[in-house]
Amino acid sequence: AQKVTQAQTEISVVEKEDVTLDCVYETRDTTYYLFWYKQPPSGELVFLIRRNSFDEQNEISGRYSWNFQKSTSSFNFTITASQVVDSAVYFCALMVRGNNRLAFGKGNQVVVIP
Amino acid sequence: DTEVTQTPKHLVMGMTNKKSLKCEQHMGHRAMYWYKQKAKKPPELMFVYSYEKLSINESVPSRFSPECPNSSLLNLHLHALQPEDSALYLCASRGPGLAGVRGPYNEQFFGPGTRLTVL
Repeated sequence: AQKVTQAQTEISVVEKEDVTLDCVYETRDTTYYLFWYKQPPSGELVFLIRRNSFDEQNEISGRYSWNFQKSTSSFNFTITASQVVDSAVYFCALMVRGNNRLAFGKGNQVVVIP
Repeated sequence: DTEVTQTPKHLVMGMTNKKSLKCEQHMGHRAMYWYKQKAKKPPELMFVYSYEKLSINESVPSRFSPECPNSSLLNLHLHALQPEDSALYLCASRGPGLAGVRGPYNEQFFGPGTRLTVL
């Protein structure tokens, strides 16, 4: 069974500060995919980033970056120089190869204060 | 700009009504999903269609009836719902799809959702 844990519930930051969201996952499968989604108040889940279990490097995409640590089963996500438009719920999710199901964490509510 | 569309955006219905939610994607994705999401909770999987065949039904009550008329369309027929069925209903699709089309790497793309209220 797959499980995703996002321990923090609500995080408040002042605009331009960095914010890091923690995600810890559990799976026995060796091939799996990790995702971060953003859900603004409008409700749509927006795909942000994907990480394959066999990828080696961490990456940066604009103001987003992520830190994948297989040894600790963590997939943390950082927003650099936060903006008010970043206020949303962020979900970490896991899918294993050959399985159509996405296991979601409970989500992090991020509030960016102007 | 979303590549998965859902209609209607909002729906209010009585417990005796019959209504349908619609979802459409043109990315050539062959897996389509229905999720239910209550406030302050993550989405819960309801149904999965793979190559137009129902592959997963997460023990959803029969008052929810999915239909996949073709590879681009997904419907959710609603009948005799209960007030506790009020929620945001999200549709999603997943690749692999057409060559060169966004999303060949297993991520699901979600539509904007239908906010359903059952009176």
